Amino acid sequence: QVQLQESGPGLVKPSETLSLTCTVSGDSINSYSWSWIRQTPGRGLEWIGYIFYSGSTDYDPSLKSRVTISVDTSKNQFSLKMTSVTDADTAVYYCAREGRNSGYDWFDPWGQGTLVTVSS
Amino acid sequence: DIQMTQSPSSLSASVGDRVSITCRASQSISNYLNWYQQKPGQAPILLIYAASSLQSGVPSRFSGSGSGTNFTLTISSLQPEDFATYYCQQSYNTPSTFGRGTKLEIK
Repeated sequence: QVQLQESGPGLVKPSETLSLTCTVSGDSINSYSWSWIRQTPGRGLEWIGYIFYSGSTDYDPSLKSRVTISVDTSKNQFSLKMTSVTDADTAVYYCAREGRNSGYDWFDPWGQGTLVTVSS
Repeated sequence: DIQMTQSPSSLSASVGDRVSITCRASQSISNYLNWYQQKPGQAPILLIYAASSLQSGVPSRFSGSGSGTNFTLTISSLQPEDFATYYCQQSYNTPSTFGRGTKLEIK
């Protein structure tokens, strides 16, 4: 059974870089696409971007200038970096696998989520 | 971006009730629509994909319907564990977008 686990600092200072890692167990990262999604009370669930195991990526246009998603197949991990954070980036961050079948895709499963607070 | 609008935003119901939640897309998304359930402090879990396909392991009391811009999630007979928040999500194009959720509460 595939499981995902987010890790990284829970507190980031404004203007600094948020860095999170998602470790995948029970499945090889050398398949599917892998996404980052965040959730806030004010804006709800927001898709940040995804990476395919080959390294190709796609990002939400509103975040694209600040976000990089990368993959480390040797560690079965993928990572999120978001630069120049503000308090608007305070959120619970989830990693998720993108399942696909016959052209349809969805997020399943998700990691448990990690709260990142942007504050000085 | 495609906007997803859910209604109602909250709903009170009793165990055994049949409930329906609707999701409307700002443009046609064919049947590229998924439904998730989220309980407090937990991550969302997938219930329905491609508008009407039940994810493996999800009870058959959950069903989805619709295409184009209008979609419905139906729970045929509410169980105590079904009280949660439900989200729709379009996978028609990127950026993928979610509805704001429907909170299902015990009456």
